[in-house]
Amino acid sequence: DQQVKQNSPSLSVQEGRISILNCDYTNSMFDYFLWYKKYPAEGPTFLISISSIKDKNEDGRFTVFLNKSAKHLSLHIVPSQPGDSAVYFCASGQGGGADGLTFGKGTHLIIQP
Amino acid sequence: GAGVSQSPRYKVAKRGQDVALRCDPISGHVSLFWYQQALGQGPEFLTYFQNEAQLDKSGLPSDRFFAERPEGSVSTLKIQRTQQEDSAVYLCASRTGPYGSYEQYFGPGTRLTVT
Repeated sequence: DQQVKQNSPSLSVQEGRISILNCDYTNSMFDYFLWYKKYPAEGPTFLISISSIKDKNEDGRFTVFLNKSAKHLSLHIVPSQPGDSAVYFCASGQGGGADGLTFGKGTHLIIQP
Repeated sequence: GAGVSQSPRYKVAKRGQDVALRCDPISGHVSLFWYQQALGQGPEFLTYFQNEAQLDKSGLPSDRFFAERPEGSVSTLKIQRTQQEDSAVYLCASRTGPYGSYEQYFGPGTRLTVT
């Protein structure tokens, strides 16, 4: 029973355009969400997070949107750059942070020149 | 500053051998997590330490898996009598503490192959 779902295994976007990565969750107890980026043979790198009390968080080219009623979040990357090509993981957590994160399976983003 | 480091980066073990994987978290980080990542999957939580106390080990798949953090800094994940299904990347992450900012910082992982 997957509590965090990333339904697109891969996504191809042209350089300079917007990349939109989606994530759905089922556990209404999650109270914060994070996006990680992962290159081959490296550990996940933190990108951006959002608390469940917010609906948007922005950091440079990266914006995360949260729709609690739909249990859906998305990561927008504008403009997309070649270095953004990587696997992106959505992760969720709950409680006072003394808990492990629950990850989706990841979306492989490919930025086309 | 230095990030999370893990050693070894790669480990090949014959079925039935014991292995020990090491994690050096970011200095001063109270919280430490271990995850297992199978091929094509996202990381899955194994266990959590707050300082030297192991507060959650609900994700450990069997009693062959054991983790410790005796002095509240370096942690070791030990797998006894390895099986082929243990082949995966083992990731360690640290966080400043159980409250405050959410982000966990990951090490590069140890890729374990059991033959």
